[in-house]
Amino acid sequence: GAGVSQSPRYKVAKRGQDVALRCDPISGHVSLFWYQQALGQGPEFLTYFQNEAQLDKSGLPSDRFFAERPEGSVSTLKIQRTQQEDSAVYLCASSLGGVEETQYFGPGTRLLVL
Amino acid sequence: QKEVEQDPGPLSVPEGAIVSLNCTYSNSAFQYFMWYRQYSRKGPELLMYTYSSGNKEDGRFTAQVDKSSKYISLFIRDSQPSDSATYLCAMSAEETSYDKVIFGPGTSLSVIP
Repeated sequence: GAGVSQSPRYKVAKRGQDVALRCDPISGHVSLFWYQQALGQGPEFLTYFQNEAQLDKSGLPSDRFFAERPEGSVSTLKIQRTQQEDSAVYLCASSLGGVEETQYFGPGTRLLVL
Repeated sequence: QKEVEQDPGPLSVPEGAIVSLNCTYSNSAFQYFMWYRQYSRKGPELLMYTYSSGNKEDGRFTAQVDKSSKYISLFIRDSQPSDSATYLCAMSAEETSYDKVIFGPGTSLSVIP
């Protein structure tokens, strides 16, 4: 079946612009994660959803970052008033749910803020 | 000090060599240990998953965990050019009801034909 998909794959934004990044998880996956990966670094946890409930948003770097998953499937990560330090790859992952469940990653959205 | 440390490399080896990749960590609560492979401009993919201490083998790959030393390793035997990628160690604890994973910064590996 289809894996995790993300769109757009690349996004160039001017500083101060709002952006929205989309994640389509694997069908039936309960858990959904967003990560931020800076150049030369490993992914860093941003937020976690179990179905439509956002259970952990401790990794969101500021209140300019907002994520939602209103129907428990597709998720959107929104960044308001983008800054240059927001430039990174944003990865989405999904899993069946619970501890020990494998996370399947999408290809990521590469965001460049000028 | 970061929770998970990993030599960033780059590491360059000839085809057929045995590769050793390592991570150290500081949080003794970590119980689940993973190795991911990430090709350029792709998302990470899970290679190995180990619970607690011990060894696990899967084909050319062997994962080792030494919790007493807070040290994990991934060995790749008979390395191939297709193994050229960034290898990320990752770990999580049982403290949460979901798999909140902490990643190392990754080691870049090149296998030269």
